[in-house]
This record gives sequence, structure tokens and C-alpha cells, in this order.
Amino acid sequence: LAKTTQPISMDSYEGQEVNITCSHNNIATNDYITWYQQFPSQGPRFIIQGYKTKVTNEVASLFIPADRKSSTLSLPRVSLSDTAVYYCLVGDIRGNNAGNMLTFGGGTRLMVKP
Amino acid sequence: GAGVSQSPRYKVTKRGQDVALRCDPISGHVSLYWYRQALGQGPEFLTYFNYEAQQDKSGLPNDRFSAERPEGSISTLTIQRTEQRDSAMYRCASSLAGEEAYEQYFGPGTRLTVT
Repeated sequence: LAKTTQPISMDSYEGQEVNITCSHNNIATNDYITWYQQFPSQGPRFIIQGYKTKVTNEVASLFIPADRKSSTLSLPRVSLSDTAVYYCLVGDIRGNNAGNMLTFGGGTRLMVKP
Repeated sequence: GAGVSQSPRYKVTKRGQDVALRCDPISGHVSLYWYRQALGQGPEFLTYFNYEAQQDKSGLPNDRFSAERPEGSISTLTIQRTEQRDSAMYRCASSLAGEEAYEQYFGPGTRLTVT
């Protein structure tokens, strides 16, 4: 079971790039890294998923070093509407113990200021 | 297209009563997940299904909680003899299978209050 550690909270300003790092020292060979975003009073929303190196989509980038013991979610030029909680999940959802992976934890509360 | 829907959106019940929470996943989604979320905390996994088969129910807190998905589509989470500590937001999510299962789509949730 890959336990994850991420900062409890972060502050940023509009227009800045925000990097949120998640540590997962016990990541297993078949584990993937997935990030979700949650706004108040809404369900989590998938942001990005990766296995190794770098993944980029229209919303964010995910950087994963060669040892895969950590990962960094990068949000370019944040706006006030990016204020939310960001969760890092690590595991293999395809197995019969997917519940072990689906541990959201406390997440990182990002506050974007004007 | 239509997203995941849940009903009721709000449920107030008295301690000791049974409640049934419904989840209607996105059409074609093989996998369905149930979570519980307390205020200020992340979602807590309860159970999940692939088609009609319950794959993992390790997160169900005790035997008062059960879930079913008899036809591989709509799912019901049942809580028997509710207690005040069961008060929470109950969220359902659905996804495609395989590697696409990492991208889950969440419903609006059912706010359960046990008085």
C-alpha cells in the first residue's frame, strides 16, 4: 500500500505557477499516480494521471522522477477559480484491492489570492 | 451527456431507521464506487463494483452497511439501523474499466443527517 504525503495547505497569487508535490516512497511497480481536484460542495474531479516521466493535458502537468517516489502536480498561471483541495492517489485500481488505492487523505488546500 | 446522478440529494432520518441511497452512473460505465465524506476531510472509500460484481467492500464500516448493483447499472447503498455517526455526505462515482478507471466521475452526493 503506497502511503502518500502532501502539504496540508499552500497559498499562491493569480498568474503564478503552482507546484504541489506528493511523496509516495513505497510505490509499487504496477501503481499509477492520479490527481483529483475538489471544490467546496462538489465531488472530486479528475485532473491528471501518470506512470512515469511527464504527462501534460489542457489543465495541468504531472512530473514523475525516475524513482517514482514522488510526483509534482503543476498548475500554470493559476486563477482565483483554482482555489480548491487537491488530492494525490497512488495505487493499482485494476486489482481486487482497488480500495487500498482509493484513499484520498486530507489533500492540499490551495488558496489563490488576487 | 448526463453525468452521475444520486438520489435523494438530502435525507434526514431518525436514529434506528434504515435508509437507501441510490446512484445512477454514466451510461456505459462498468465500474461504480461509493464513498463517504465528512466535512473538511477527503472522501473515504466504502465499496466498488465492476458490472454487478462487488469487487471490494473493505471500506464498509460495519455490517449495517451494504451495497448492491443487481443489473450492473444503478446501485443502492443501504444503511440499516442508522446512528448519528453515519451522518455524512455519501458520494457515488463511476468510470470505464481498465486504465480508464483512474478517471472517475463523481455525482453530486447525498447529504445524510441522522437525528
